Amino acid sequence: KNQVEQSPQSLIILEGKNCTLQCNYTVSPFSNLRWYKQDTGRGPVSLTIMTFSENTKSNGRYTATLDADTKQSSLHITASQLSDSASYICVVSGYNGGSQGNLIFGKGTKLSVKP
Amino acid sequence: EADIYQTPRYLVIGTGKKITLECSQTMGHDKMYWYQQDPGMELHLIHYSYGVNSTEKGDLSSESTVSRIRTEHFPLTLESARPSHTSQYLCASVRDSGNTGELFFGEGSRLTVL
Repeated sequence: KNQVEQSPQSLIILEGKNCTLQCNYTVSPFSNLRWYKQDTGRGPVSLTIMTFSENTKSNGRYTATLDADTKQSSLHITASQLSDSASYICVVSGYNGGSQGNLIFGKGTKLSVKP
Repeated sequence: EADIYQTPRYLVIGTGKKITLECSQTMGHDKMYWYQQDPGMELHLIHYSYGVNSTEKGDLSSESTVSRIRTEHFPLTLESARPSHTSQYLCASVRDSGNTGELFFGEGSRLTVL
């Protein structure tokens, strides 16, 4: 069964600290993986996309990694800011001709950055 | 910034009322989607469309219906709202036709049925 598991479920850190969010998936065949940021009460916004051949990609203070062999991805946030408080959702796309190229959503990690 | 708009942002209605949640995008995207999301929970696909006159049910069973008469417009309708329909509804569209397409989301419509 295609699944996306994210950990931790929630995380509290102090402003300025770094943190790493994890995403493990069993989606096969694999096409790509996206990390989205969802502020409370808003729609998700894409942070980065990882395809099979990519190991790491940065977007400002956000760095995503992908290990296609172990089917794991991480999102590292450097020097956290209060505005980083949000839910971070991992979405994996596979090839099955289904409704959206088989988009499987994780449940998200809720990050709270405290001053 | 995504050009996809949802109205209303917030709606409180009584049981049995008919409601329509509006979703419009100005990006010319063919694929559009409706997701349902309870607080702190994951998104669930309830409807999608690959173009005009094309609509399909998603993975989560829903009593709502959708229509796609124009490319830019994808409204969702509940004929008779119930408290179990209380949730946030998110509309999205895809940037390109391939699997690498980025989903652009609207701000969401938070529905409360009393």
